[in-house]
Amino acid sequence: GAGVSQSPRYKVAKRGQDVALRCDPISGHVSLFWYQQALGQGPEFLTYFQNEAQLDKSGLPSDRFFAERPEGSVSTLKIQRTQQEDSAVYLCASSFGQSRETQYFGPGTRLLVL
Amino acid sequence: KQEVTQIPAALSVPEGENLVLNCSFTDSAIYNLQWFRQDPGKGLTSLLLIQSSQREQTSGRLNASLDKSSGRSTLYIAASQPGDSATYLCAVIQFGGQFYFGTGTSLTVIP
Repeated sequence: GAGVSQSPRYKVAKRGQDVALRCDPISGHVSLFWYQQALGQGPEFLTYFQNEAQLDKSGLPSDRFFAERPEGSVSTLKIQRTQQEDSAVYLCASSFGQSRETQYFGPGTRLLVL
Repeated sequence: KQEVTQIPAALSVPEGENLVLNCSFTDSAIYNLQWFRQDPGKGLTSLLLIQSSQREQTSGRLNASLDKSSGRSTLYIAASQPGDSATYLCAVIQFGGQFYFGTGTSLTVIP
């Protein structure tokens, strides 16, 4: 596609529910990143993939957060047993080569946990 | 851990005014610095990327400068327009590839 796409765009979950957020990177982009952006804050790094390998997951806030990119293209960020503090916009970005190159961002998924 | 600060947090200016947004960072060992624009409900759009060996980059009415030794960058917007209204984020990129974002400056340009 022309850009990074994310789905769903909005998600409302009850506390304790599991959610799955999808990211479709730009075709051919090797690197894929997930960020969490709380209201009024800048994005905070969660995790990074190079192809299917998850090279850095240091930003995942707890073991309830899990990300995968099994075929080196589409990625899914899963949050188990959601809590109210998980409410945020989850942004996905991709870059053509290494992690230090310009990243192209998707529109984000706005998650609200009630 | 790298800390990135942006001042001011919000700015409101009349159309046509020139303005400066500030970004400061605590660790000067950076690979690149990038300025982004974020519109409500949308993702981030890259505006300018400055490599650590560069002092500034220009694109149209935008000029970004970088002073690594003092840990500062500025984004200069000339002749502001209502369409420039958005949140502006700066991000520093470490050699390991980590991106650290500031909290952003919310800009409103009044027609």
